[in-house]
Parts: sequence; C-alpha cells; structure tokens
Amino acid sequence: DGGITQSPKYLFRKEGQNVTLSCEQNLNHDAMYWYRQDPGQGLRLIYYSQIVNDFQKGDIAEGYSVSREKKESFPLTVTSAQKNPTAFYLCASSDRDRAYGYTFGSGTRLTVV
Amino acid sequence: KQEVTQIPAALSVPEGENLVLNCSFTDSAIYNLQWFRQDPGKGLTSLLLIQSSQREQTSGRLNASLDKSSGRSTLYIAASQPGDSATYLCAVRDGGSQGNLIFGKGTKLSVKP
Repeated sequence: DGGITQSPKYLFRKEGQNVTLSCEQNLNHDAMYWYRQDPGQGLRLIYYSQIVNDFQKGDIAEGYSVSREKKESFPLTVTSAQKNPTAFYLCASSDRDRAYGYTFGSGTRLTVV
Repeated sequence: KQEVTQIPAALSVPEGENLVLNCSFTDSAIYNLQWFRQDPGKGLTSLLLIQSSQREQTSGRLNASLDKSSGRSTLYIAASQPGDSATYLCAVRDGGSQGNLIFGKGTKLSVKP
C-alpha cells in the first residue's frame, strides 16, 4: 500500500542535542512538508520541498533544518537552537498538481527530557 | 494572509444526531479545501477534498459543501456514532504562489452513546 512512514513514533531529546525525524513516502509525490502541532494551536508549517534538492522555509523554520536528496525522503532535524521542541510533528506529501490533496503520516511525538 | 477559522472548538452530541461543523476562510482565492479527521495521538486522515469549482462532495455519511465566494465550508455528519468522536480539521490550499495547505484549529467532536 502507498503511504507515508514516519519514524520513530516517540522520540526523547536531551537538552543541547540534535535529533532527526524520518519521513519516507512511496506515493511518487513531488512535494513534501513538515508541520508542527501543539495543543490548542493549528498545524504550523516548518519546511516544505516541491522538488528534489530544493526546499523552502515555512512559518516557523527557526531551529529546524531539512534535506531533500531523494524524492522519497524528507528528514527533519530539530537542532539545539530550537528552544521549545516538545510537540507532535507531522509529515505530509502531495502531487505537484495543486488540484490534489495532501496525505499525512502518523506523526512523531518529540519530548525534551 | 489566509486565515482559517473553525466553529465551534468543541461539540458534544448524543448518538444518532445529525450535526454540522463550520469552517471559514478569509481569502476566496483557493485551489481546494480538505477536511481531515484526527484521533488522539494519531496522524491526519483525509475525509473529503473539494475543488474550488465544486459545491459539495459526499462520502458515506459525510457531506462537505463549499461556498468559495463567501469563504465558507460545512461538514455535515449524518446519524452520528460514538466512533465519529475525533478532532475534525479544515484546511484550504492557498491560491498564492506557494499553494500550501493552511489549517484551522479544529473542532473536537464527542458523540455520546
């Protein structure tokens, strides 16, 4: 079945550490996205990529970094510069044709310990 | 800047009732509108996708309407069941140059047996 796989499901980060969240899709979608979800707030866009080897900052990119070396993969690194990283992170993908909708993964919950 | 609002923030109904969830957006220049369901701690499941040229879409007990000129969409759920309990998110694919998905904060639905 086609879909998006996010791993791990739960992740714990110590102060000062960088951690990387994985997102893989087999839908042959060109575009991929990372969102952050906090209680009481809507989903906020962190980074997005519409084509391999290219990506753009979203609304809350500070403290995060991404790469897009393969069409299928869009990993997100939460750096030590992100002061409040505890949140639920969602990865999504879509076709380049904007008439299509988004498909989401099952999410990664990151907690600072 | 596009903004999406969902009313009410929470809703509790007895099983069997028909109900309507509301979504409004500030800029009518959109590609499409997508309704999602999110269960606690889970990713987003797409329910319905309405193109900007369409007025409504139906899937089983769900019917979504779109009035682009007034910036409104409704999600109608017929004969609600306890299994419908979840958070429902509305999102518009913005008509700007980036064409990203912009979310409301959701309506948390509880259907009581």
